Parts: sequence; structure tokens; C-alpha cells
Amino acid sequence: QSVLTQPPSASGTPGQRVTISCSGSSSNIGSNTVNWYQQLPGTAPKLLIYFNNQRPSGVPDRFSGSKSGTSASLAISGLQSEDEADYYCAVWDDSLNEGVFGGGTKLTVL
Amino acid sequence: EVQLLESGGGLVQPGGSLRLSCAASGFTFSSYAMTWVRQAPGKGLEWVSAVSDSGGDTKYTDSVKGRFTISRDNSKNTLYLQMNSLRAEDTAVYYCARDYACDSWGQGTLVTVSS
Repeated sequence: QSVLTQPPSASGTPGQRVTISCSGSSSNIGSNTVNWYQQLPGTAPKLLIYFNNQRPSGVPDRFSGSKSGTSASLAISGLQSEDEADYYCAVWDDSLNEGVFGGGTKLTVL
Repeated sequence: EVQLLESGGGLVQPGGSLRLSCAASGFTFSSYAMTWVRQAPGKGLEWVSAVSDSGGDTKYTDSVKGRFTISRDNSKNTLYLQMNSLRAEDTAVYYCARDYACDSWGQGTLVTVSS
């Protein structure tokens, strides 16, 4: 089991807004900033959101992140077929003294 | 453009050793921490190890402590992961990534531990 809990799957239709949650604890999300990664099928992961809600250059503003207490969320608006991928949250854990990833959420665009 | 190119993966027997390398280009390597992340077949991402920009500070996940060693050669712009006493559960694609935030990733190298 991962230290960070994500739903294993999520889905939506084109144009919809979907959110993916990431639940942690005071030693990780509660103390540090959260990153989100997108992994398209057969490819390496890509940084999608850093510092809880910042987008690297080139990432569409359809993607947004937020954090509250010991939970974080990734929202995707105007869902597109090319958004079908695995999404992971990640954060530093002060108790474990290591980085931790969520178990990943497989997003299906119906 | 940031480029990270892993190499050194392959098939190794349980108890064996491998050294992975990650050649970096397109940025000032010595100014960034570096991270190794792995992904077992069909599974999620797992943080493995990280090293500070100078190489003086290293971190490991518990399951690899005492078996894996992360290091870097800033004169060669190269990151390493020495893996000893390999186990079947170490089978995975190993990615190197820039910084603790993993803001850029390589394409990965496959390590298979099997007899």
C-alpha cells in the first residue's frame, strides 16, 4: 500500500471536468508541496503540476492542482481523448525521509 | 533541451549486481539534485533514491538501503545507481529524473532479476 491514496480509476466524457484526489498525512502532504505527473501509455512520466498548483511551461491551463490540509487534487477541465493516461501524485515524507508516490489513477475518456 | 539517457539495464540473476548510468545534457548538471524512480511491470511509480547537487547528501527508500548506492560525477554529467544483492522484486524500469521534483525524466532502462 502506498502512503498516498489515490482512486485506482476515473473516467469522463470529452468536454467534462474530472478530479483526482490524493490523500496523505501530516508528515507528507500536510508539510510539503505536492507534484502531479502524467504517464501516457508506453511513455515516461511527465511533470504536470508542481508546488501544489503551478504548471510547467507547455502544460495546458485545463490542468490545475490544489491542496488542503493533508489532501490534494488534480482537476482536468475540457477533457480530451489525449488526456487518457495514468496520473500520479508525489510528495516528500518527513517521517520516512524519502519521496513517495500515490498508487496512480488510470483516467479513461469515454 | 533537457535530455536524460539511462543505460546499464539488463537481465541479472538473483544476488547479482548492475550499475545503471544516466547521462545528462541540456542543463547545468552540477546545479541540480537527481532522483531515481522505478516502475515494476504493470505497477505504479516507486521513488528509489536521490542525491544532492554536490553528491554529499543521499537518500534511499527502505527496501534498497544497504544494497543500492546512488552517486554522481559532475565532471562527466552522469548519475549512477549501483545495485547489489538484487532480488526478483527489484525487476522494473528504472528512470532517472532531474531534481527532487522530478521535473524531467529519461526514457528508462529495464532491469530484470531472474534465474
